[in-house]
Amino acid sequence: DADVTQTPRNRITKTGKRIMLECSQTKGHDRMYWYRQDPGLGLRLIYYSFDVKDINKGEISDGYSVSRQAQAKFSLSLESAIPNQTALYFCATSDPSRDRGIGNEQYFGPGTRLTVT
Amino acid sequence: GEDVEQSLFLSVREGDSSVINCTYTDSSSTYLYWYKQEPGAGLQLLTYIFSNMDMKQDQRLTVLLNKKDKHLSLRIADTQTGDSAIYFCAESISGSGNTPLVFGKGTRLSVIA
Repeated sequence: DADVTQTPRNRITKTGKRIMLECSQTKGHDRMYWYRQDPGLGLRLIYYSFDVKDINKGEISDGYSVSRQAQAKFSLSLESAIPNQTALYFCATSDPSRDRGIGNEQYFGPGTRLTVT
Repeated sequence: GEDVEQSLFLSVREGDSSVINCTYTDSSSTYLYWYKQEPGAGLQLLTYIFSNMDMKQDQRLTVLLNKKDKHLSLRIADTQTGDSAIYFCAESISGSGNTPLVFGKGTRLSVIA
């Protein structure tokens, strides 16, 4: 079974709709992250959370919100989707306190492809 | 501030060596990473190097670190079609375990048979 799962894997939605992307992990990690990937722009950090009570904005948080419902779950919401939010979204986890001597290694989910029409 | 730069594309012939380059700006980085993203998948850690090392070799992979120039490279020997992917360089900032990794934009490696 995958350690970091994302649902849905693909989603097409219309402009103005509210949409939620879910991320779950079985790694027991405290830290969770949401990124979006666009061609030629690499990975850009949207939000991150170091524990259930800690939420931080990333580089491009405008238009997004997050909820850390439990250690294992971190969801990303688009309150009113717009076409330029069409992208591939990745969730990731890490826990430096448990590292294998390689620092803040991040583990990624398989991604959610979101299309806003 | 932190910034990680990579060229966007690299094309090599099967069997040749590939060299993917990366420059970073934060001299206090403790770990530097190479992640691989295969088509339709998330990123997976390929290899890493600690900042007090100059070189690390792992089978077909060689990582070289030039701290003076803040330059990191990944060499893949005997490149195969299965190596076709996007490769991301990332850095972890020293002494601040409370910051996420900073990723480059990724280099798309195409291997020609």
